[in-house]
Amino acid sequence: EPEVTQTPSHQVTQMGQEVILRCVPISNHLYFYWYRQILGQKVEFLVSFYNNEISEKSEIFDDQFSVERPDGSNFTLKIRSTKLEDSAMYFCASSEREYIQVYEQYFGPGTRLTVT
Amino acid sequence: AQKITQTQPGMFVQEKEAVTLDCTYDTSDQSYGLFWYKQPSSGEMIFLIYQGSYDEQNATEGRYSLNFQKARKSANLVISASQLGDSAMYFCAMREVISNFGNEKLTFGTGTRLTIIP
Repeated sequence: EPEVTQTPSHQVTQMGQEVILRCVPISNHLYFYWYRQILGQKVEFLVSFYNNEISEKSEIFDDQFSVERPDGSNFTLKIRSTKLEDSAMYFCASSEREYIQVYEQYFGPGTRLTVT
Repeated sequence: AQKITQTQPGMFVQEKEAVTLDCTYDTSDQSYGLFWYKQPSSGEMIFLIYQGSYDEQNATEGRYSLNFQKARKSANLVISASQLGDSAMYFCAMREVISNFGNEKLTFGTGTRLTIIP
């Protein structure tokens, strides 16, 4: 069964450093998402991406964040200058809109980001 | 804005018993969808079940069923014959359409930690 993959599984970085989290969505999916889950809290929407541009972003997704689909398979989330409060699990998800059939957002296994 | 409420932060259930996890929602949309995800201690998000707002029958997937009461705006997850492997965090989520191109986002509840006791 196709799945969303994410690398790395765990990233440790120092405050102020740039990090890039990588995702490979399911190949025929058109819509891509990043979500964040701070330890012990609920999952929060960060950004959605369709047709090579951001279609929606939350208030969390400030100028320190950016997303990119550099080629036909990867989808990346960049944090330019990490802060302690960026420590969280970051989930990538992808979906294929089906107006008739039930669909779901397929989540990747997550990248745990630890900022020290 | 959409809102998902899960009022049970934690539940303990004896193995083989059925368990109901509560979820209420608030939306002004006529068309919406409700999801349940399972998050084990390893952290990944596992899709369990989906209910569309226009679906007349409650969704079922194996041991999982969704008790959808539209007038009460509730979408409770029922797990029958619970197993030790069901111990996990469970999140209810609602999809919100962002654009006319089908782009959507999920709004999650705060989750319920379910512990199955042998």
